[in-house]
Amino acid sequence: DQQVKQNSPSLSVQEGRISILNCDYTNSMFDYFLWYKKYPAEGPTFLISISSIKDKNEDGRFTVFLNKSAKHLSLHIVPSQPGDSAVYFCAARSGNTPLVFGKGTRLSVIA
Amino acid sequence: EAGVVQSPRYKIIEKKQPVAFWCNPISGHNTLYWYLQNLGQGPELLIRYENEEAVDDSQLPKDRFSAERLKGVDSTLKIQPAELGDSAVYLCASSLDGNSGNTIYFGEGSWLTVV
Repeated sequence: DQQVKQNSPSLSVQEGRISILNCDYTNSMFDYFLWYKKYPAEGPTFLISISSIKDKNEDGRFTVFLNKSAKHLSLHIVPSQPGDSAVYFCAARSGNTPLVFGKGTRLSVIA
Repeated sequence: EAGVVQSPRYKIIEKKQPVAFWCNPISGHNTLYWYLQNLGQGPELLIRYENEEAVDDSQLPKDRFSAERLKGVDSTLKIQPAELGDSAVYLCASSLDGNSGNTIYFGEGSWLTVV
């Protein structure tokens, strides 16, 4: 049973447009959510996070939105750049339990 | 500040051979994790250490996998004997402590191919 789901394995977006990556979760006990970005042959790199007490967190071009009632979060990248092309993982945890990851979404930003 | 350092980056071994991976976490980070990532999947936890104590090893296949974190700093993950299905990326990560608000930082991974 997957607790964190990224239902879109891939996404293509034109440079300069908005990229929206989605993530759904089933465990209502999750209280902290993170997005990681992964380039080929590298480890995941932390991108942005949000606590369950908030519904939005913004860092430059990256914004994460959390909808607790829908158990849904999304990552917005605007404007998208070719260097944003990577695999994006959504992850969640509660208390001191391990991070649970989704399967990832491969973003391709086309110049 | 140095990140999480792992070695070797790449390893190719024959099945039934042993292999070991080493990890040096970010300085001051008490919590260390080993994750396994298969192709097309997200990372999955193998074991978590709080200082030198393994506090969650429920997903570690203990018949062939072992890990240690002597002195609560560096850690090694060993597989003996390796099987074809162990081909994957082994990721080490660390955080200040195990609380949910602390970001987990990953190393670049050790890529294992078993032939």
